[in-house]
Amino acid sequence: GNSVTQMEGPVTLSEEAFLTINCTYTATGYPSLFWYVQYPGEGLQLLLKATKADDKGSNKGFEATYRKETTSFHLEKGSVQVSDSAVYFCALSPSTGGGNKLTFGTGTQLKVEL
Amino acid sequence: GAGVSQSPSNKVTEKGKDVELRCDPISGHTALYWYRQSLGQGLEFLIYFQGNSAPDKSGLPSDRFSAERTGGSVSTLTIQRTQQEDSAVYLCASSSAAGPSPLHFGNGTRLTVT
Repeated sequence: GNSVTQMEGPVTLSEEAFLTINCTYTATGYPSLFWYVQYPGEGLQLLLKATKADDKGSNKGFEATYRKETTSFHLEKGSVQVSDSAVYFCALSPSTGGGNKLTFGTGTQLKVEL
Repeated sequence: GAGVSQSPSNKVTEKGKDVELRCDPISGHTALYWYRQSLGQGLEFLIYFQGNSAPDKSGLPSDRFSAERTGGSVSTLTIQRTQQEDSAVYLCASSSAAGPSPLHFGNGTRLTVT
């Protein structure tokens, strides 16, 4: 079946540091890939997505590239801010059938300190 | 409303009681999803609705769990004879199509079974 594996947290960084949160997946076909973010006290919201191999999703300074050859979708940001502190979830949606049923990773908590 | 609304936001119940959790999706969204987020774990898919029908109920943990959706809008998740392991945050999401469109999540219902 489909699965998503992401690095465990918490990840603690200083402001302006470079961020990478690793995500790899197992799926048949060509799934769509997503990063969702959950800020403290808020619901999950879509951060970025990529629907085919070599696509790069980007939003709010975050980027992730869909790598079919390594089955990865690592999240990166060049300079994090305190306001980026949140839990980040990697997810996939199957290429066929299943509606938009997402399979999520376990989430990675990011703490950014001054 | 502007977003997905869930009620109640918090629910404390005694073991063995039944509970009903409600989800109001974004108006016009045809697809509705229920997920469960347990402490230290990722998001676990429960059930998916397209309109009023549920093509995928594969994530419901046991026959104590059921869900319905009426009028292509509001959905209710019912847990009968609650157990302590049912304690979790129950999240509802909706999307505008069955394909890989973004899911919009509510803030969840935190269920505590004592």
